[in-house]
Amino acid sequence: EVQLLESGGGLAQPGGSLRLSCAASGFSFSFSAMTWVRQAPRKGLEWVSNIGSTGEYTFYSDSVKGRFTISRDNSKNTLYLQMNSLRAEDTAVYYCATSYWASTSYFASWGQGTLVTVSS
Amino acid sequence: EIVLTQSPGTLSLSPGEGATLSCRASRSVSSDSLAWYQHKPGQAPRLLIYGASTRATGIPDRFSGSVSGTDFSLTISRLEPADLAVYYCQQYGSSPMTFGQGTRLEIK
Repeated sequence: EVQLLESGGGLAQPGGSLRLSCAASGFSFSFSAMTWVRQAPRKGLEWVSNIGSTGEYTFYSDSVKGRFTISRDNSKNTLYLQMNSLRAEDTAVYYCATSYWASTSYFASWGQGTLVTVSS
Repeated sequence: EIVLTQSPGTLSLSPGEGATLSCRASRSVSSDSLAWYQHKPGQAPRLLIYGASTRATGIPDRFSGSVSGTDFSLTISRLEPADLAVYYCQQYGSSPMTFGQGTRLEIK
């Protein structure tokens, strides 16, 4: 059974940083592209970033490009999202999910999410 | 970017009835690359349909997807109380990938 467990969320100040992690199990993580999707309070889902299976290819939405960095450690079956220069509008539940392709894809399995709150 | 407009915003139906949820794309979606997700409160989103009409693994045949041009539909037959959720469409035919704003399905 695919399991994805996000962690690292919490309260951050505007301009601050947070690093999210997503621990994966139950599938061949090193062969799977991965994604981060977020949901702001009372809003819909928003794609944030994708990464290929080896980490060679990464893709970002315009809203986070230059501030967020997606990465992975296949030896630890873990996906990361380094979030810098945080803004109030980054407040959201962040989900990691498996991605069929690295660039654009549907997302087959999702984690339960971790809440990030950006506020002073 | 492709804008997806879902309708209605909220749908309230009784158990046993059928539901049709709509997702209209602002322009053509490459290769009918559209997915539907079910999102229950406090739970992880669940993939229902991809490729506009292919059911994901383990999804019952009460759920079906169809497409006509830029109009995509998710049909849920024989509604059950457990179908209470927000349903989102997502296009992955072009970058950036985008989601619709969601349709809330209420079960009377």
